Amino acid sequence: AQSVTQPDIHITVSEGASLELRCNYSYGATPYLFWYVQSPGQGLQLLLKYFSGDTLVQGIKGFEAEFKRSQSSFNLRKPSVHWSDAAEYFCAVRSSGTYKYIFGTGTRLKVLA
Amino acid sequence: DSGVTQTPKHLITATGQRVTLRCSPRSGDLSVYWYQQSLDQGLQFLIQYYNGEERAKGNILERFSAQQFPDLHSELNLSSLELGDSALYFCASSWGDEQFFGPGTRLTVL
Repeated sequence: AQSVTQPDIHITVSEGASLELRCNYSYGATPYLFWYVQSPGQGLQLLLKYFSGDTLVQGIKGFEAEFKRSQSSFNLRKPSVHWSDAAEYFCAVRSSGTYKYIFGTGTRLKVLA
Repeated sequence: DSGVTQTPKHLITATGQRVTLRCSPRSGDLSVYWYQQSLDQGLQFLIQYYNGEERAKGNILERFSAQQFPDLHSELNLSSLELGDSALYFCASSWGDEQFFGPGTRLTVL
């Protein structure tokens, strides 16, 4: 069965520091991969997505993610974190043959001033 | 603002009751998805409709049902409510592969 694992429940970084949020998926073929951000009291907003092609994907708000097939990973990165990036981040997967999305349990990011 | 609207914003009800949550998708989006977000279960996909037809089903309980109307708005009906149904219910709409999420309906079952 498809699954998505976000091993870090909470991450704390200082403002200006680099960030990497981990995401591992389990799926036989190449899935469609997504990263979403949820600010407190808000719905989810799409940061970036990967379907095929270049394995390094650029998103909004300065985020990028790299698809590594050999590691079944799709980690989210940002070179310099801003205080406004404090939120919960969700990795999601969807198989190319269905319309069911599976979300990870989320990583809550705290940014220290 | 994603363009997806959900009503009501908050709903408080008692066990055993039935409620209806409403979602209006972005203009032109044919797909509507429903999700349940709770502290212990995370974000769970419930069901998807495309242009009025059910397209995909996730972890939706038999007590729950949904439909999408000709004007493309959707309703999620929750019946025989239990304490464990307390959660944030999100609707999302899409035309392609990008989902746009509404602000959610917070359901509290007392």
